[in-house]
Amino acid sequence: GDSVTQMEGPVTLSEEAFLTINCTYTATGYPSLFWYVQYPGEGLQLLLKATKADDKGSNKGFEATYRKETTSFHLEKGSVQVSDSAVYFCALKVWGTGGFKTIFGAGTRLFVKA
Amino acid sequence: KAGVTQTPRYLIKTRGQQVTLSCSPISGHRSVSWYQQTPGQGLQFLFEYFSETQRNKGNFPGRFSGRQFSNSRSEMNVSTLELGDSALYLCASSLFPGGGETQYFGPGTRLLVL
Repeated sequence: GDSVTQMEGPVTLSEEAFLTINCTYTATGYPSLFWYVQYPGEGLQLLLKATKADDKGSNKGFEATYRKETTSFHLEKGSVQVSDSAVYFCALKVWGTGGFKTIFGAGTRLFVKA
Repeated sequence: KAGVTQTPRYLIKTRGQQVTLSCSPISGHRSVSWYQQTPGQGLQFLFEYFSETQRNKGNFPGRFSGRQFSNSRSEMNVSTLELGDSALYLCASSLFPGGGETQYFGPGTRLLVL
């Protein structure tokens, strides 16, 4: 079935370090891919998205490229800040019985130290 | 434009009771999806309503139900509460079913079952 696998956290980095959070997926058809971020005490916010192969989504210094050949959508940021501390969710949207459905990964918690 | 609102934000119930949670989507959005978030299971899809009709349903027991009103506001109900129902319940709205291009999440209702 359709699924999303994210690297387990927590990930702890120092400020200005490079961030990679791995995400791979399994899906029939051609899914759209998303990264959401959840700050403490809040709901999820869309961070970036890509709707077809080789698309790059970017926002707030974060980037992810839709790689169909490796079924991956890894999240990267060149220089993290303390304010980036949050939980990051990779997700895919795919057509299923009953219509489109969105499937989320388990989430990866990021801690950034000053 | 006001975001997705959920009420109440926090709730404490005891086993066997029932609970009703409310979600008001972004104005103009007709699709509302509900998710359960727990540390062990992550984000799990409960159901989706579009134009007052349930479009999609996740793998939850019949104790979990929902409905949507003509103004697109949605409620979810959990009857005969169990300890394992303690979770953060998130709703998300979108213009179209299946999350459309983007889902917008509310802050969630945190339910504690004692």
